[in-house]
Amino acid sequence: GESVGLHLPTLSVQEGDNSIINCAYSNSASDYFIWYKQESGKGPQFIIDIRSNMDKRQGQRVTVLLNKTVKHLSLQIAATQPGDSAVYFCAENPRNAGNMLTFGGGTRLMVKP
Amino acid sequence: NAGVTQTPKFQVLKTGQSMTLQCAQDMNHNSMYWYRQDPGMGLRLIYYSASEGTTDKGEVPNGYNVSRLNKREFSLRLESAAPSQTSVYFCASTRTSGGIGELFFGEGSRLTVL
Repeated sequence: GESVGLHLPTLSVQEGDNSIINCAYSNSASDYFIWYKQESGKGPQFIIDIRSNMDKRQGQRVTVLLNKTVKHLSLQIAATQPGDSAVYFCAENPRNAGNMLTFGGGTRLMVKP
Repeated sequence: NAGVTQTPKFQVLKTGQSMTLQCAQDMNHNSMYWYRQDPGMGLRLIYYSASEGTTDKGEVPNGYNVSRLNKREFSLRLESAAPSQTSVYFCASTRTSGGIGELFFGEGSRLTVL
């Protein structure tokens, strides 16, 4: 079936290091991808998005990379801070799915001081 | 600016009881959504409303009904709660109705069905 998944359920990094969170997707019809951050007890918060006509998009301290050949999405966080500790979800929107997003299972990022 | 507001934040039900989760957004968004989140899993779409007056099933609609009361409000109803519906429920909204844009989520409603 079509799914969005993550390679690592938990990622532990040292404060100041760069973090890379990976996501695999299987629906080649997806043309829009989003990364969300969810802190404990809160709703998901938008981080960055990318459309399938791009392979890289940068935000403030975050970069999303899209490799359509291998159906892989990654989120890079530069100079990771304690406030980055959260669960990160990738989500995809297939071209024929209207307003529906399919979410992956999430990766927990833990930042060590 | 409150964003997306959900009530109640916590609820405990007995099997067979009914309840309605309320959601309101003050961002003049066209589309609204209800998701559920189970431990160790991503969010799964229950129902959505692309625009006022329309509702559509998502991935896991069984056991739920929705009402898009007006542009601001989108409620989720459990007619006969089951333990399998124990979950955290999130309401979300977005400006676009012709395709996904940035989703804004509420803080969640934690429901336990005994």
